[in-house]
Amino acid sequence: NAGVTQTPKFQVLKTGQSMTLQCAQDMNHNSMYWYRQDPGMGLRLIYYSASEGTTDKGEVPNGYNVSRLNKREFSLRLESAAPSQTSVYFCASSVVGTEQYFGPGTRLTVT
Amino acid sequence: RKEVEQDPGPFNVPEGATVAFNCTYSNSASQSFFWYRQDCRKEPKLLMSVYSSGNEDGRFTAQLNRASQYISLLIRDSKLSDSATYLCVVKHEGATNKLIFGTGTLLAVQP
Repeated sequence: NAGVTQTPKFQVLKTGQSMTLQCAQDMNHNSMYWYRQDPGMGLRLIYYSASEGTTDKGEVPNGYNVSRLNKREFSLRLESAAPSQTSVYFCASSVVGTEQYFGPGTRLTVT
Repeated sequence: RKEVEQDPGPFNVPEGATVAFNCTYSNSASQSFFWYRQDCRKEPKLLMSVYSSGNEDGRFTAQLNRASQYISLLIRDSKLSDSATYLCVVKHEGATNKLIFGTGTLLAVQP
């Protein structure tokens, strides 16, 4: 099993460009999450999907949209990237009430 | 004030030393508690859950003090491979598996 996979691993965008970060899990988990991690701020939840067909805002949703495409896939879209969105983005998945498994992350720089 | 607070460190200790990290949380509704480990430029991974009665896993011991709202992690006989950032994580009651992460404590074990 690959666990949680994310693409791309690295990305550089110019201000105003858009992009979609892809995440997939092969563990048959119901819940999936998107986090960002910034120095001194810890991991902060952007959006989550408790189950297929549902999505909810987390702590820092502004500037992002998500799509739970099916049980396996949960994508994060930046419609108009800003330098403040420079960060490391982690996708995670879990069975409700258990530990979360994280993907390897996407390092995004917005210039 | 952050909901989960940790000393960022770094804790520089020699191999074989015993080191302890503390973490405080502010929300008394916090229900579940975890320690995650994050290696440099990698994703977080669950180290251990923290139970009210305290629990041990090899060289690692976790304790919970609900009255004082703090969690501790003790590492005995430190190894070079223990060098990492240790994240304190809490979950609120009824929070549908949403986790709140501390900013982490950096441990550097020296030869």
